[in-house]
Amino acid sequence: SQQGEEDPQALSIQEGENATMNCSYKTSINNLQWYRQNSGRGLVHLILIRSNEREKHSGRLRVTLDTSKKSSSLLITASRAADTASYFCARMDSNYQLIWGAGTKLIIKP
Amino acid sequence: SQTIHQWPATLVQPVGSPLSLECTVEGTSNPNLYWYRQAAGRGLQLLFYSVGIGQISSEVPQNLSASRPQDRQFILSSKKLLLSDSGFYLCAWIRSETQYFGPGTRLLVL
Repeated sequence: SQQGEEDPQALSIQEGENATMNCSYKTSINNLQWYRQNSGRGLVHLILIRSNEREKHSGRLRVTLDTSKKSSSLLITASRAADTASYFCARMDSNYQLIWGAGTKLIIKP
Repeated sequence: SQTIHQWPATLVQPVGSPLSLECTVEGTSNPNLYWYRQAAGRGLQLLFYSVGIGQISSEVPQNLSASRPQDRQFILSSKKLLLSDSGFYLCAWIRSETQYFGPGTRLLVL
């Protein structure tokens, strides 16, 4: 079941701009993860942030987590055309199952 | 290194026909394995997961079934496909709380 909400559902920006995607959830988490999916392909793990962490970086990616607001955001800085993909958040529950959001479709215009 | 395979890549089947999708993992032993379905433009719905040979947990009632005849093999089956079974089927395994996905099988039921 999908218990994560992501917004926006779709985002179109110019190459070089920053892209921000948000994810909210309703119950407690062990960790929250972000994945990327190119069209018609499998998902690729991007970054994992634990419930006791507030921010994490990986290259041009920055993820924040606010457990009091039950929300997370993924920031992609200096976007490139190759960043065009769908991005999903998934929270890991107490049973170590991943609960997935519906995703944000990101389009980077050259 | 670990690799996950899925086949076939694409499948077109008539309503009422049987289904067998296969997933195999290389480079690891006793992995936890997952079957997901993804409807167009949506997030992932967990169908089945397995912690070992012959051990299958089902997340949603449906006309699909899963089997794990070998440690590194996970099979998704149906005796009679429905139109609503169309979608993108993804197999995944997990390591250190991160899921690694196969390339997926696109199923179209006509």
